[in-house]
Amino acid sequence: SQTIHQWPATLVQPVGSPLSLECTVEGTSNPNLYWYRQAAGRGLQLLFYSVGIGQISSEVPQNLSASRPQDRQFILSSKKLLLSDSGFYLCAWSNLPPDTQYFGPGTRLTVL
Amino acid sequence: DQQVKQNSPSLSVQEGRISILNCDYTNSMFDYFLWYKKYPAEGPTFLISISSIKDKNEDGRFTVFLNKSAKHLSLHIVPSQPGDSAVYFCKAAGNKLTFGGGTRVLVKP
Repeated sequence: SQTIHQWPATLVQPVGSPLSLECTVEGTSNPNLYWYRQAAGRGLQLLFYSVGIGQISSEVPQNLSASRPQDRQFILSSKKLLLSDSGFYLCAWSNLPPDTQYFGPGTRLTVL
Repeated sequence: DQQVKQNSPSLSVQEGRISILNCDYTNSMFDYFLWYKKYPAEGPTFLISISSIKDKNEDGRFTVFLNKSAKHLSLHIVPSQPGDSAVYFCKAAGNKLTFGGGTRVLVKP
């Protein structure tokens, strides 16, 4: 069966510090991978998605970046965090078709 | 430009009654729709889906209805249970992947 891991579960970082969140998927090959953010009281915002190694599409301009160094590894990064980067970050995977996404447990990021 | 909208941010229903969640979309290229359920501090979990070639899909207590002419879909939960209290997101898939803003459901015992 497939599983998706995210870490860390919670993170408190000062403004201006770097960020690295990691997501790995097991039990499937060549998945589509996604990073979402849920800000407090808001819906899910798609940040990045990837259809293969080294292939990253950005949905919104921001100070975040994503990388996919391996088939089942997806990393969300920032060089300098902003207060507005606080939120709940979710990684997801899917295989087409059908496009059902399976989400990781999430990372709660608080930027102070 | 919100292509998928859930106009009711919250819904309160008595246990045993029906919960009806609504979702409207604007992009006629969407051809597959999904509902997800999300508890606080957890990732969303897939609940039920429907292809645009159908107008209804049923799975236990959950039924999704699709009205393509109105670009509207709804999720019915019957009977509602306290464990159904969560945030529900509709998602449209096609040329893009777009989530609605979510509807928070509270089922009162």
